[in-house]
Amino acid sequence: ELKVEQNPLFLSMQEGKNYTIYCNYSTTSDRLYWYRQDPGKSLESLFVLLSNGAVKQEGRLMASLDTKARLSTLHITAAVHDLSATYFCAVTKVNRDDKIIFGKGTRLHILP
Amino acid sequence: DAGVTQSPTHLIKTRGQQVTLRCSPKSGHDTVSWYQQALGQGPQFIFQYYEEEERQRGNFPDRFSGHQFPNYSSELNVNALLLGDSALYLCASSLIGGTFDRDTQYFGPGTRLTVL
Repeated sequence: ELKVEQNPLFLSMQEGKNYTIYCNYSTTSDRLYWYRQDPGKSLESLFVLLSNGAVKQEGRLMASLDTKARLSTLHITAAVHDLSATYFCAVTKVNRDDKIIFGKGTRLHILP
Repeated sequence: DAGVTQSPTHLIKTRGQQVTLRCSPKSGHDTVSWYQQALGQGPQFIFQYYEEEERQRGNFPDRFSGHQFPNYSSELNVNALLLGDSALYLCASSLIGGTFDRDTQYFGPGTRLTVL
């Protein structure tokens, strides 16, 4: 059974600091997603990572994937208050278009 | 180009009742997936519909059923509601066999269901 674990589950940090969210998954996956969710809102896709060593960056967020370690990271650089949200990691199994399995999410609170 | 739409936005029901939630996929998409997100949790996959048939199913009881129409829109039905069914229900659409892009699955705004 495919499982996804994120840590930390809650993170409070000061503006301007850097931090990393970790996502481990249990079996081979062909796609890894990072989503952002604001309170009471739907999911916003941030990154989709396909291959080992993939790195994608947008603004202050950078995501990477190590398929051998079954690990993805979401790195936040010089955090700003607007990045406060819950961030979900999710994976699909090897067969494309299969269901997406989500982690429990990391609730990020950035203090001004 | 309209994205994924869901209705209603909010719904309040009592235990034992039945509810129907609706989803219209993004234009050009042919597949609809439904997720349940309890408060403070990640979304849980309920099922996926393609070509008007249930293609995949998560660990949800038979009280949860669905349908896909020829225009690709979909309904989620939940019978004999329980307090534990209170959650945000998300619909996501995608295109099977389509070229892969940043947003393989587009999520709708969700329906907030409260069971009293």
